[in-house]
Amino acid sequence: GAGVSQTPSNKVTEKGKYVELRCDPISGHTALYWYRQSLGQGPEFLIYFQGTGAADDSGLPNDRFFAVRPEGSVSTLKIQRTERGDSAVYLCASSSTGERTGELFFGEGSRLTVL
Amino acid sequence: GNSVTQMEGPVTLSEEAFLTINCTYTATGYPSLFWYVQYPGEGLQLLLKATKADDKGSNKGFEATYRKETTSFHLEKGSVQVSDSAVYFCALSVKGGSYIPTFGRGTSLIVHP
Repeated sequence: GAGVSQTPSNKVTEKGKYVELRCDPISGHTALYWYRQSLGQGPEFLIYFQGTGAADDSGLPNDRFFAVRPEGSVSTLKIQRTERGDSAVYLCASSSTGERTGELFFGEGSRLTVL
Repeated sequence: GNSVTQMEGPVTLSEEAFLTINCTYTATGYPSLFWYVQYPGEGLQLLLKATKADDKGSNKGFEATYRKETTSFHLEKGSVQVSDSAVYFCALSVKGGSYIPTFGRGTSLIVHP
């Protein structure tokens, strides 16, 4: 597609459930980022992929959060045993590492609500 | 570590007013600086950037100058329009490694006709 695509756009779940959020980056972009944005806050870094590997996962808050990118394109953010504090908008972004400028292209986000 | 501080919003202006949104930063290393904008119902998109001291980034009538001496990157526009209503995020990334951008908390701009 032309831009970064994220699904679902909205997800409501119950505390303790498992959730998957998907990101389809811009074709050819090898770098992929996940951020989390809470209400009234800026994007908070979670994890960065270069190709298939997680190059930096220092932003993942705990071991309930995990992300994969098995073929170097689509990525899935997985959250186990969800808690109410996980409610936020999860943003995915991609970039062309040929530039190496830190300039990202964002999707519209997946809004997660944990009841 | 790296951090970005933005002025609190919302900023409320009348159409054709002058806009300034303040941004200051702390960085380990030499950063590139960015302004991203998020229009209602849309994803964040890059508005402008500057990669070295004294550079001026500009786009859509917005400008920001990289001031190393004051560690600032204030966003300005001479005459705002209703369509500029959005949330504006200042960000930085530091050369070396992954260039993972660090974002400020965002400043909401509301422009009235």
